[in-house]
Amino acid sequence: EAQVTQNPRYLITVTGKKLTVTCSQNMNHEYMSWYRQDPGLGLRQIYYSMNVEVTDKGDVPEGYKVSRKEKRNFPLILESPSPNQTSLYFCASSRRHREVGETQYFGPGTRLLVL
Amino acid sequence: AQSVTQLDSHVSVSEGTPVLLRCNYSSSYSPSLFWYVQHPNKGLQLLLKYTSAATLVKGINGFEAEFKKSETSFHLTKPSAHMSDAAEYFCVVSDRVKDTGNQFYFGTGTSLTVIP
Repeated sequence: EAQVTQNPRYLITVTGKKLTVTCSQNMNHEYMSWYRQDPGLGLRQIYYSMNVEVTDKGDVPEGYKVSRKEKRNFPLILESPSPNQTSLYFCASSRRHREVGETQYFGPGTRLLVL
Repeated sequence: AQSVTQLDSHVSVSEGTPVLLRCNYSSSYSPSLFWYVQHPNKGLQLLLKYTSAATLVKGINGFEAEFKKSETSFHLTKPSAHMSDAAEYFCVVSDRVKDTGNQFYFGTGTSLTVIP
């Protein structure tokens, strides 16, 4: 089944404790992206990747890191989480980055609470 | 600059009555437009998309949307609401951004309530 998976789905952590949220897609997509969803703000892009070893900042990159060592995986890293990073996070992928109209496929989301 | 405005943060309809969720956009190029639905505690699912073909687009679950370039709108409609339609709906614009390729811009969402 074609899908985007994220782990963990739910996470409670404390300020300053490094964490990684994994994202994996099995569709051989070039483009992958991370979003955070907050009430009243819709989805805001954190980082995106056009292909292996190519990443760039989205609209709200502060406090996050990403890597794209393999085509299928795009982990999101919070080196020192803070309470304002409490949010619902979505990973997404699409076939090609430079084709307008390509559909993004979303993972199920990771709900993060930082105490 | 590209942007997406969903004109209503909440819409409430009675079961069996029409649904209208409004979306306006701004774009420098010829965009593609999407509607996604998010049911409670679920991820985002594509309802439909417009990519410069027919301006009236039909999606899943009886939803459709019409691209109106003159009004820069892409409103989502359904003739008869069902209880299962209660969810959050997002309008999304996909546009080419110079030097960075394709980018996606999300509206802030419209929460649809269906009253029995």
